[in-house]
Amino acid sequence: GQQLNQSPQSMFIQEGEDVSMNCTSSSIFNTWLWYKQDPGEGPVLLIALYKAGELTSNGRLTAQFGITRKDSFLNISASIPSDVGIYFCAGQNSGNTPLVFGKGTRLSVIA
Amino acid sequence: EAGVVQSPRYKIIEKKQPVAFWCNPISGHNTLYWYLQNLGQGPELLIRYENEEAVDDSQLPKDRFSAERLKGVDSTLKIQPAELGDSAVYLCASSLGGSKNIQYFGAGTRLSVL
Repeated sequence: GQQLNQSPQSMFIQEGEDVSMNCTSSSIFNTWLWYKQDPGEGPVLLIALYKAGELTSNGRLTAQFGITRKDSFLNISASIPSDVGIYFCAGQNSGNTPLVFGKGTRLSVIA
Repeated sequence: EAGVVQSPRYKIIEKKQPVAFWCNPISGHNTLYWYLQNLGQGPELLIRYENEEAVDDSQLPKDRFSAERLKGVDSTLKIQPAELGDSAVYLCASSLGGSKNIQYFGAGTRLSVL
């Protein structure tokens, strides 16, 4: 099925560093979502974006909905060990249409 | 408030055997989803229910997969017979619906077919 292009695939950073990851699509979406998945668990919603250009923060996390509606990025500031996990972007056209997920960015934080 | 509950958490079966997964959504959530997540991939939708009606099952391989949500609450996903390629995590999610239709996921069932 259709998937978004998410990059990087994986990253190793030092504790305290900032992190940036992004997601691009060949088609537009009306909603962009960022989820985090820990090992053995389901994805947990971090940030939801509903408007092109929207910039939203959730604690140390900031995400933006690209102006073209074909991309989004997620930033994590001052990373800590519990930020370790897989981060997925997801696009959606309307509340009743399926979520289309990226392949994820695997984040490792070195203490 | 309890989240989406799935069982079993893990299942190991031999190929050609049947298997069933169960999901109980968040109370009051009318919409229920089953997703398939292969290793190293994001989840992909298999089927979506609005109450007891399957409104999107276009990605469900109907030759061996079936699902039901008889009373519009909990749901069962079945595979019969299972194949080696079915080894994956099966995630259930639920949502209230509406324009900002946030989906909440269960922990998933990890299936290994030997």
